[in-house]
Amino acid sequence: AQKITQTQPGMFVQEKEAVTLDCTYDTSDPSYGLFWYKQPSSGEMIFLIYQGSYDQQNATEGRYSLNFQKARKSANLVISASQLGDSAMYFCALNTGRRALTFGSGTRLQVQP
Amino acid sequence: DTEVTQTPKHLVMGMTNKKSLKCEQHMGHRAMYWYKQKAKKPPELMFVYSYEKLSINESVPSRFSPECPNSSLLNLHLHALQPEDSALYLCASSQRDGADGYEQYFGPGTRLTVT
Repeated sequence: AQKITQTQPGMFVQEKEAVTLDCTYDTSDPSYGLFWYKQPSSGEMIFLIYQGSYDQQNATEGRYSLNFQKARKSANLVISASQLGDSAMYFCALNTGRRALTFGSGTRLQVQP
Repeated sequence: DTEVTQTPKHLVMGMTNKKSLKCEQHMGHRAMYWYKQKAKKPPELMFVYSYEKLSINESVPSRFSPECPNSSLLNLHLHALQPEDSALYLCASSQRDGADGYEQYFGPGTRLTVT
């Protein structure tokens, strides 16, 4: 069985500050992938960043970076220099050999001017 | 082009109606997915098609019937739905299935209301 946990239902951050969204996971599969998606109020799921279980380096994509701590089974998303347009729901998701994504419950981020 | 399109954007249907949701991608992806998302909840997997064959059905009621006519198209046929089926239906595609880092690209979704 696989499980994804996001313990922060909501987060506030000031514009231009950095914010960390927490994600922990549990799987017995040695090969897996961790994804972060952003969902604005319009509904579309937007892919942000990916980390593979065998990747040695933490993934980065522009202002997004993934703090991957394999021993702790955590894959936190760090957004640097927050912008008003970053206000959205953020989902962490796990993909194992089962071939589909299991999503966490999500964190609603609100960026304040 | 990383676009997945879905039609219609909104759909209101009665419990006795038959309707279909359509999803299309032209990225050459060979895996396509249907997810259901209730308000304030994460998406839940319904079906996976891999190389145009149904590979995963997450015990979805038979009133939902998926179809993959070709590698670019995915349909979801709806019949005799219940009000609790009202949700956002998301389609996604990826290069292939598997845990090899193939991110899924999502469409904008169809907001379905069953009256």
